[in-house]
Amino acid sequence: AQSVTQLGSHVSVSEGALVLLRCNYSSSVPPYLFWYVQYPNQGLQLLLKYTTGATLVKGINGFEAEFKKSETSFHLTKPSAHMSDAAEYFCAVRLPYNFNKFYFGSGTKLNVKP
Amino acid sequence: EAGVTQFPSHSVIEKGQTVTLRCDPISGHDNLYWYRRVMGKEIKFLLHFVKESKQDESGMPNNRFLAERTGGTYSTLKVQPAELEDSGVYFCASSRDTNTEAFFGQGTRLTVV
Repeated sequence: AQSVTQLGSHVSVSEGALVLLRCNYSSSVPPYLFWYVQYPNQGLQLLLKYTTGATLVKGINGFEAEFKKSETSFHLTKPSAHMSDAAEYFCAVRLPYNFNKFYFGSGTKLNVKP
Repeated sequence: EAGVTQFPSHSVIEKGQTVTLRCDPISGHDNLYWYRRVMGKEIKFLLHFVKESKQDESGMPNNRFLAERTGGTYSTLKVQPAELEDSGVYFCASSRDTNTEAFFGQGTRLTVV
């Protein structure tokens, strides 16, 4: 069974500090990897995705993530947190041979302190 | 272009009652998905429609859940009778093709008391 692990259900950073949200997956084949963000009272919004090619991918709002196959990780980072980044973040995978479904992690709530 | 729309945004029902959730996908999107997040856990796949046909319903928890997509446009997800463990947030998503970006709705928060 596929699984996606997000370390830390709550992460708190100060405004201007580095944001690091961790995601590890288990898969026998390299999956497609995604980060979604959910702001309060809104739907899930795609932040960025990795399918093939360059392992460092850049997304919206200054976020980026790096696919590390050897570590089965896809951690999300942003150099400098902004108050507007406060939201819940979900890591997800899709398998190349079963592309119709996402496997999500349990989410990480990011709190940004002034 | 309107996004994926879900109705209602919140629903509180008593155990044993029936609830119907609705999802309007983005126009032209043949693929429609239902997901559920229970008790702050991971978001789990329920099922996938291609037009009006159920492509994959492997995630449906039991026969108290019935999803339909008559005419291949909007979809409904009925829970009958509802149980306490059905509480959670139900997300709908749609995509033009299975390998293109999926767009998610804001979710319906269902509370069974």
